[in-house]
Amino acid sequence: SQTIHQWPATLVQPVGSPLSLECTVEGTSNPNLYWYRQAAGRGLQLLFYSVGIGQISSEVPQNLSASRPQDRQFILSSKKLLLSDSGFYLCAWSGGGYNSPLHFGNGTRLTVT
Amino acid sequence: DQQVKQNSPSLSVQEGRISILNCDYTNSMFDYFLWYKKYPAEGPTFLISISSIKDKNEDGRFTVFLNKSAKHLSLHIVPSQPGDSAVYFCAASRTGTASKLTFGTGTRLQVTL
Repeated sequence: SQTIHQWPATLVQPVGSPLSLECTVEGTSNPNLYWYRQAAGRGLQLLFYSVGIGQISSEVPQNLSASRPQDRQFILSSKKLLLSDSGFYLCAWSGGGYNSPLHFGNGTRLTVT
Repeated sequence: DQQVKQNSPSLSVQEGRISILNCDYTNSMFDYFLWYKKYPAEGPTFLISISSIKDKNEDGRFTVFLNKSAKHLSLHIVPSQPGDSAVYFCAASRTGTASKLTFGTGTRLQVTL
C-alpha cells in the first residue's frame, strides 16, 4: 500500500532563517506531488505541484520554493523565512489518473518567531 | 476570491442524528468534488467524492449530494457518531488539472453524546 512521510512534525524557526521540509512517498511510481498550506482560520491553499521529476508549478507568488529531485521526493524550501510563513504545511500525492483524490501526509506545524 | 465556501464554521449534532455539512462553489468549471475529514495535528483524509455527472454518491453512512444549478453540495452523515467529530473540508477541481484541489475553509463537526 502507498504511504506518505512528511517531517518534521513541528518546527520553530526565527525570522530570516532557511527552511527545508521533506516529503517522500512509498508504494507508487510517478505520483503527482503537492504542497499545501493551511494558515490560521483559512482553508488549504495549494502552493506547488509537480507531475514529474524536476517539474514544478507554483500556484501563488511567495517566499517559498519547491524541488523534486527524485520521483517520490518533494522538498519545500525557503532561503529566509518571514513571519507570514507560519502555518501548517501539508504534502500530498495523487495517482495522476482521472480525478484521483489527494492523499495527505500528517503535516508540519511551522512557527516563525 | 474564495471559490469554494463553507459558510458554517462549526456544527454540533447529537449522536445518532443526521449531520449535514454544506458547501457552495462559484467556479462553474469545477466538475469533481470531494470531502475530506481532518483530525487535529493530522493531514486530511479522503472521505467521499462525486463527479458532476451525478447528483448523489453514497458510501456507508456518508452521502454527498450535488446540485449543479445551485452550485451547492452537501455531505450527510447518518447516523452521526462521536468519532465523526472532526473538521470537514469540501474541495473541488476541474478534470484534467492534475487533481489540483481548491478547498473550502472547513466546518468543525462536534457529535455529542
